Amino acid sequence: GAVVSQHPSWVICKSGTSVKIECRSLDFQATTMFWYRQFPKQSLMLMATSNEGSKATYEQGVEKDKFLINHASLTLSTLTVTSAHPEDSSFYICSARRTGPNTEAFFGQGTRLTVV
Amino acid sequence: AQRVTQPEKLLSVFKGAPVELKCNYSYSGSPELFWYVQYSRQRLQLLLRHISRESIKGFTADLNKGETSFHLKKPFAQEEDSAMYYCALRANYGGATNKLIFGTGTLLAVQP
Repeated sequence: GAVVSQHPSWVICKSGTSVKIECRSLDFQATTMFWYRQFPKQSLMLMATSNEGSKATYEQGVEKDKFLINHASLTLSTLTVTSAHPEDSSFYICSARRTGPNTEAFFGQGTRLTVV
Repeated sequence: AQRVTQPEKLLSVFKGAPVELKCNYSYSGSPELFWYVQYSRQRLQLLLRHISRESIKGFTADLNKGETSFHLKKPFAQEEDSAMYYCALRANYGGATNKLIFGTGTLLAVQP
């Protein structure tokens, strides 16, 4: 199957700083990538849909100025958590689909963000 | 609104027992339904999708539009089936931007 890689796998940052998480599709092109947030023992909550070359589409309740998404190429999307606070600590997961209809979504291994 | 409901947070069975993980959905159109599995310390991966109508690792799931359900079943559970299982729905109106909506997940624990 196709591989989606996230970097870093975990990060600890100080409150008030910004953190960038990368999501790469290693062996396929992905016009669309998705960013999820997962709290402990809870489900994945979709944060935003990242579209290559255009603005991301954010889900209701997600602050676009807080969670900046950039999808500059067909293999890379980045999520930047700006001015991070302890409540932003979570597990962030991206997924990517091959270009085309009815294609499978592949998931990254996730990034554990801890804000201290 | 699209919604996926998995009523059981935890399902514990003995090895060799039948398993049924429940999933109900609400969507006014024609959805695509999926089951994803997350083994301990591994990433989420697709187990099966309703349009494929296939059996993966002995698991099957039938889409019942009348009951708006997509229950996951396996006749004889194995210890290696222990994992977190998520039911997911995608609106089926074409296009790569269709998002997946996940249920809350069911932890399957298969005891020896």
